[in-house]
Amino acid sequence: KAGVTQTPRYLIKTRGQQVTLSCSPISGHRSVSWYQQTPGQGLQFLFEYFSETQRNKGNFPGRFSGRQFSNSRSEMNVSTLELGDSALYLCASSPTLGSPLHFGNGTRLTVT
Amino acid sequence: AQKVTQAQTEISVVEKEDVTLDCVYETRDTTYYLFWYKQPPSGELVFLIRRNSFDEQNEISGRYSWNFQKSTSSFNFTITASQVVDSAVYFCAGNSGGSNYKLTFGKGTLLTVNP
Repeated sequence: KAGVTQTPRYLIKTRGQQVTLSCSPISGHRSVSWYQQTPGQGLQFLFEYFSETQRNKGNFPGRFSGRQFSNSRSEMNVSTLELGDSALYLCASSPTLGSPLHFGNGTRLTVT
Repeated sequence: AQKVTQAQTEISVVEKEDVTLDCVYETRDTTYYLFWYKQPPSGELVFLIRRNSFDEQNEISGRYSWNFQKSTSSFNFTITASQVVDSAVYFCAGNSGGSNYKLTFGKGTLLTVNP
């Protein structure tokens, strides 16, 4: 069974630009979560989608948004990029409440 | 709000030594899950174990063992006879309020196993 797939693996963007990250969950998993990992703040929850609906949202500005498609694939968008958005963005999927999250390899975003 | 504390920032051991990683989870909720994840240099978080707040039975899986004590809010992880391949960052995480998808992570412990 294929794991969680995130694309691209690496991205370099300039301040003010926007970026879209993609995540394909494990087949059969309907929940997709996104986390941001930085050296200073560690791993922080961004949001979680289930059946195309955002169910939980972390404490991030509105520049961070996401969506989930009917096939459970998810995208995350960051607009008006800031230097502080440089991070590893991790996507995770899970089949049901109570099951562990399965993470992808992440997308490393560098904002210059 | 929940808080996960991993007091050890870095640990360095020599191969075959036993090593214990500490974690303290603070929450007002009575029902919650606790997790340990491993993050090798490749970046992917690898799930190791899950424990719910009602299960204080210790668990052993091969060289790994976990000790959960609700009274002290501790969920410690021991690697027996460590190997170089165990070198990674280990994260403890917890969730409360019935939402398994919103995990609160500790800052992580960097474990280096030297040959």
